[in-house]
Formats: sequence, structure tokens, C-alpha cells
Amino acid sequence: NAGVTQTPKFQVLKTGQSMTLQCAQDMNHEYMSWYRQDPGMGLRLIHYSVGAGITDQGEVPNGYNVSRSTTEDFPLRLLSAAPSQTSVYFCASSYSSVGSGNTIYFGEGSWLTVV
Amino acid sequence: GENVEQHPSTLSVQEGDSAVIKCTYSDSASNYFPWYKQELGKGPQLIIDIRSNVGEKKDQRIAVTLNKTAKHFSLHITETQPEDSAVYFCAATPYGNNRLAFGKGNQVVVIP
Repeated sequence: NAGVTQTPKFQVLKTGQSMTLQCAQDMNHEYMSWYRQDPGMGLRLIHYSVGAGITDQGEVPNGYNVSRSTTEDFPLRLLSAAPSQTSVYFCASSYSSVGSGNTIYFGEGSWLTVV
Repeated sequence: GENVEQHPSTLSVQEGDSAVIKCTYSDSASNYFPWYKQELGKGPQLIIDIRSNVGEKKDQRIAVTLNKTAKHFSLHITETQPEDSAVYFCAATPYGNNRLAFGKGNQVVVIP
């Protein structure tokens, strides 16, 4: 009963480095998304996908890339890390569109620090 | 896009008392309103949700009420317990939309 699995849980990067946050779900969900959580800012949508091969931008997409080659996986890439990307990142999935009342399941989070 | 605001930002209650968190939203097209609970070091977890075709929904000690005319909805927790201490997020989105707009969260502290 894995649900949504994120790796790594903690990461420290130097400014300018690149990295990929991994996300996998085993519930055969079509919808997957990435959020970042910053103090006092709540959860902000970075990118989302409604199915394999389909991605779209959320509220704060700059500096991040995504792809969806399989139903199960939705990696988030930081191309050139900046201190402003220090945050907690959450991957989430749901059976279908969130506006249809489908429950969103969140991963446990990835804590990223950019120095 | 949708803008969701939560009040108050921090709420302290004595164990056994009730807690109420209110959210307002801006998009009159929104018709799905979930509430999430986030415990320290964990991801948010859905605790209750409501759609615009009903005004109130209950699940044991928690309930959500919706006032579409005033564009606000509230989370009610009765008989609070220490394990209710957490951050609570409200959210809103129109039907079929793929973007869930979250409020900034409320820290609820239950004092034993």
C-alpha cells in the first residue's frame, strides 16, 4: 500500500546545480501534480499532468520542468537551482480531475535547500 | 484564477472546546471545497469535502458548512483532542478544473 512515493526526502544543492525529484504512484491515477510549500504561503501548484504525455503549468512553473512518460511516474526537474527554490515539495495524485471531487493523495514531501 | 483566504492564521483552543476555521473564495464558479489536515513532517491529508449542491456535511466530530452567496465555507471541529493539533488547509476549484487553489493554512493548537 505505497500510495505516492517521493525521493529523496532531504537534499542540499548548491546554486546552479540541477537535480530531479522523483515521484511515483501505484494507484493507476491519471492526474499527478507538484506543489511547493513555503512558510505563510500555503501550497502552490508548480506543474500538473492529466495523463501520460500531457503536462501543463501551474501557478509557479518558472525554473522547473516536468515530463510524464508513464502513468506511474512524474519527475520534477530543477534546471539551475536558486536559493528561492528552497522549499518543501509535495507530489500528489488523484484518479481524475480534482474539480470532479476526486481525492488528492499527497506524498510525504521532499525538503530541498539551495545554498 | 481562484483566490482562497483563511482566517485566523493561528487558533488555540482548550481540549474539549470547538474550533472553527473560515475560508473565503473569489471565483463564483468554484463548486468543490475540500479541507486538508497536515501533521508535522507529513503530507496533507483530506479530512472532509463539500460540493456546492449541499450546505453542510458532517463526519463524526468534523463538519463543513458552505455559504455560496457569501462565498465562504467553514470547518468545524467539536470536542477537540490533542491529536487535532495540526495545520489545516482549505481549497476550492470549479467543477472539472485541474487546478486546486489552496489557502495559506491555519495552525490549530489544542491545549490539554
